[in-house]
Amino acid sequence: AQRVTQPEKLLSVFKGAPVELKCNYSYSGSPELFWYVQYSRQRLQLLLRHISRESIKGFTADLNKGETSFHLKKPFAQEEDSAMYYCALDSGGYNKLIFGAGTRLAVHP
Amino acid sequence: ETGVTQSPTHLIKTRGQQVTLRCSSQSGHNTVSWYQQALGQGPQFIFQYYREEENGRGNFPPRFSGLQFPNYSSELNVNALELDDSALYLCASHPPGGRTDTQYFGPGTRLTVL
Repeated sequence: AQRVTQPEKLLSVFKGAPVELKCNYSYSGSPELFWYVQYSRQRLQLLLRHISRESIKGFTADLNKGETSFHLKKPFAQEEDSAMYYCALDSGGYNKLIFGAGTRLAVHP
Repeated sequence: ETGVTQSPTHLIKTRGQQVTLRCSSQSGHNTVSWYQQALGQGPQFIFQYYREEENGRGNFPPRFSGLQFPNYSSELNVNALELDDSALYLCASHPPGGRTDTQYFGPGTRLTVL
């Protein structure tokens, strides 16, 4: 079965500390993976996708097919990074996304 | 501003009733997907509409149905409401070509079933 698992409901760090939000997936084909973010009182928006291999707002994510993981990382967290982060898997290349339960990142001053 | 709008913002219904939620897609977007987000969970794919036809469906019963209109706006209908249908309902629109990174979400409709 296709599944996305985000094991942490809450990740709490201090400003300037490194951040790693974990995401594991289960998918039989070649996955297309994404990280979405939802800031307070804003709508869900795309943060990055693995195919682009880009860094957005200092965040990066590497697809590890051996470990079936797509962890989101940032070397130095900022207070404005506080938000809900969702890992998502495209189940068929037609924007039908399977989301994880989300991790709330809280960055403290 | 992404341009995807949803109405109403909030809705309260009682068990057994029927509800219709509406979504206006961003200009030029011909595909709309609907998601259900229960409290504390990630969004769950309900179905997708492309050029007024259903184009894929998640694990939801037939009492969840939809429509897409010629202007690409869309409706989600839920019959025989159950308490577990209480959730935030999101729609997302995307343009022709379907590149996933151009999917834009609306603000959602919060449905409460009593």
